[in-house]
Amino acid sequence: KAGVTQTPRYLIKTRGQQVTLSCSPISGHRSVSWYQQTPGQGLQFLFEYFSETQRNKGNFPGRFSGRQFSNSRSEMNVSTLELGDSALYLCASSLEANSNTGELFFGEGSRLTVL
Amino acid sequence: DQQVKQNSPSLSVQEGRISILNCDYTNSMFDYFLWYKKYPAEGPTFLISISSIKDKNEDGRFTVFLNKSAKHLSLHIVPSQPGDSAVYFCASYSMEYGNKLVFGAGTILRVKS
Repeated sequence: KAGVTQTPRYLIKTRGQQVTLSCSPISGHRSVSWYQQTPGQGLQFLFEYFSETQRNKGNFPGRFSGRQFSNSRSEMNVSTLELGDSALYLCASSLEANSNTGELFFGEGSRLTVL
Repeated sequence: DQQVKQNSPSLSVQEGRISILNCDYTNSMFDYFLWYKKYPAEGPTFLISISSIKDKNEDGRFTVFLNKSAKHLSLHIVPSQPGDSAVYFCASYSMEYGNKLVFGAGTILRVKS
């Protein structure tokens, strides 16, 4: 069974631009979460989608947004990019709305560099 | 407000010895605690978890201990192997908040052969 797939793996943008990242969850998984990883900060929760609805949102500005499609694929968008947005963006999927144990399956991430 | 803290940025251990990674948390409402392992250029992978109603969970070379009164958990790896060298993230989870994990900053483990 294929794992969580994220595209693109690497990208470089300049300040002020916008970016869209894509995530395909494991087949059959309906919950998709997004995390931002920066050095020294661990993984910071961005948002979670289940059945096309945003269920949870982290403490990020409105420049960060996302959506989920009917096939459970998800996209996240960051507008008006800032240097501080440079990070590894990780997508994770889970079968159910509440995984009961918290176990999530992560993709390899999209490495965004903002110049 | 960091609800989950890993105070040691890095740890170096000799192959065959025990590795102990520590984690502290502040929110007593967490239901589960998990450890994830991350290699460079890969996503985190689930390693082991423990329910808040238990104090120990063991899986092969990996054991997680939970001390609820101290709001502290630890991951023991015995014996440590060079392939265990990775970043280890402690995470906590509450069913009340859906599939949202609160992660620590991570500890880099280096196992020397």
